[in-house]
Amino acid sequence: EPEVTQTPSHQVTQMGQEVILRCVPISNHLYFYWYRQILGQKVEFLVSFYNNEISEKSEIFDDQFSVERPDGSNFTLKIRSTKLEDSAMYFCASSLDSGQYEQYFGPGTRLTVT
Amino acid sequence: KNQVEQSPQSLIILEGKNCTLQCNYTVSPFSNLRWYKQDTGRGPVSLTIMTFSENTKSNGRYTATLDADTKQSSLHITASQLSDSASYICVVSGGLRSTLTFGKGTMLLVSP
Repeated sequence: EPEVTQTPSHQVTQMGQEVILRCVPISNHLYFYWYRQILGQKVEFLVSFYNNEISEKSEIFDDQFSVERPDGSNFTLKIRSTKLEDSAMYFCASSLDSGQYEQYFGPGTRLTVT
Repeated sequence: KNQVEQSPQSLIILEGKNCTLQCNYTVSPFSNLRWYKQDTGRGPVSLTIMTFSENTKSNGRYTATLDADTKQSSLHITASQLSDSASYICVVSGGLRSTLTFGKGTMLLVSP
């Protein structure tokens, strides 16, 4: 069964450094998403991406964040200058379409900023 | 502000027993409501998706209900198994941008 994959599974970085989190969505899906979950808190929407551009973003997704689909398979989230409060689990998801279509989540990348 | 509230926060039940988890939401306009299961350290996995017109939907031992008038939903798990131990998250799609609003989840522990 096709699944969303994410790399790395765990990333440790120093405050102020740039990190890139990578995701490979399910191949025939058209919509891609990033979410984050701070330890012990609920999952929060960051951004959705369709047709090579951002379709929606939350207040969390400020100028420090960017997303890109550099080729036909990868979908990346870049954090330019990490802060301690960026430490969280970051989930990528993809769906065939928007609306009531199911979103399939990857296993997540645990980002630790020291 | 769009919000999703879940109760209880946590629940312990014996293997084989049934349980019901609750969800109240204030997301408007409403598009659909989803229940996800999230194992510790893993991504959420979809259990059910219900639109405005659906009152109930089942997926194996999981049965979700939706009352769009009172903005309440429940997830009923029958004949619980040890593998059901996880966080169960109520997620509502809607609002001005049709994005997903997550609840904090109910942590279920099924004990032998």
